[in-house]
Amino acid sequence: DSGVTQTPKHLITATGQRVTLRCSPRSGDLSVYWYQQSLDQGLQFLIQYYNGEERAKGNILERFSAQQFPDLHSELNLSSLELGDSALYFCASSVDLAGEFGTQYFGPGTRLLVL
Amino acid sequence: AQKITQTQPGMFVQEKEAVTLDCTYDTSDPSYGLFWYKQPSSGEMIFLIYQGSYDQQNATEGRYSLNFQKARKSANLVISASQLGDSAMYFCAMREEDQGAQKLVFGQGTRLTINP
Repeated sequence: DSGVTQTPKHLITATGQRVTLRCSPRSGDLSVYWYQQSLDQGLQFLIQYYNGEERAKGNILERFSAQQFPDLHSELNLSSLELGDSALYFCASSVDLAGEFGTQYFGPGTRLLVL
Repeated sequence: AQKITQTQPGMFVQEKEAVTLDCTYDTSDPSYGLFWYKQPSSGEMIFLIYQGSYDQQNATEGRYSLNFQKARKSANLVISASQLGDSAMYFCAMREEDQGAQKLVFGQGTRLTINP
C-alpha cells in the first residue's frame, strides 16, 4: 500500500459525459501528479500540483482540468468524454516539488471506460 | 525522440533465475533520476528502486538492484532469485525537470513472466 488513495476504482460512463476522479496523497506529501495509461499512448504525464498550485503540465487535453485543494487532495475533471479517453488514470504524490528528496508513489488508479 | 527505451517487450524466465531488464535513456540534463516501477495484473504501480545521476554506487533494494552505466546511459534492473510473484509489467522512468517542477517520463515497459 503506497498510502495514495484514489476513488473511484472503476468508472463506466457514456460519450459526452463529465466525470471527476479524486486523489488523496500520502500524508506529508505536497505534490500531486496525474498520469494517464492507455494501450496506444502508454503512461503519460498529465499535470502536477504543488501545495495547491499548478506547477507542470504535460499532454493534458483542454477538456481535462485538475485542481488541488487546501487539504492537498486533488481532483481530475474529464469532460465531453470520448471513446479514446478510456484509460487507467493514476495519481501519484511526492514530498517535494522537484523530486530531489522523494520519489513518486502511485495510487491504485481509476479505470475509466467510456462507452 | 524516445527518452526512455525498453527494448524487451516480453521476457520469460525460470523461477529462481536472475533476470535483467534493459533500460536506456536520453537526456542532456546533468541532474536526473531513474526509477523502476512494477505493475502487476491488478494494475497498481509499485515503486521498486531509484538511482540518482550523481549517486556513486548502484542502488539496491532487497532482490532488486540497478546496474547504472552513466556513460552508456543505461539503467538496467536486475532481479535476483526470481519468484512467481515477480510476473508483471516493469517500467523504467526518468525524472524530467520542467520549470522547477518534475514529471516522470516512462518507457513502454517489459512484460516479465516467471515460469515454475
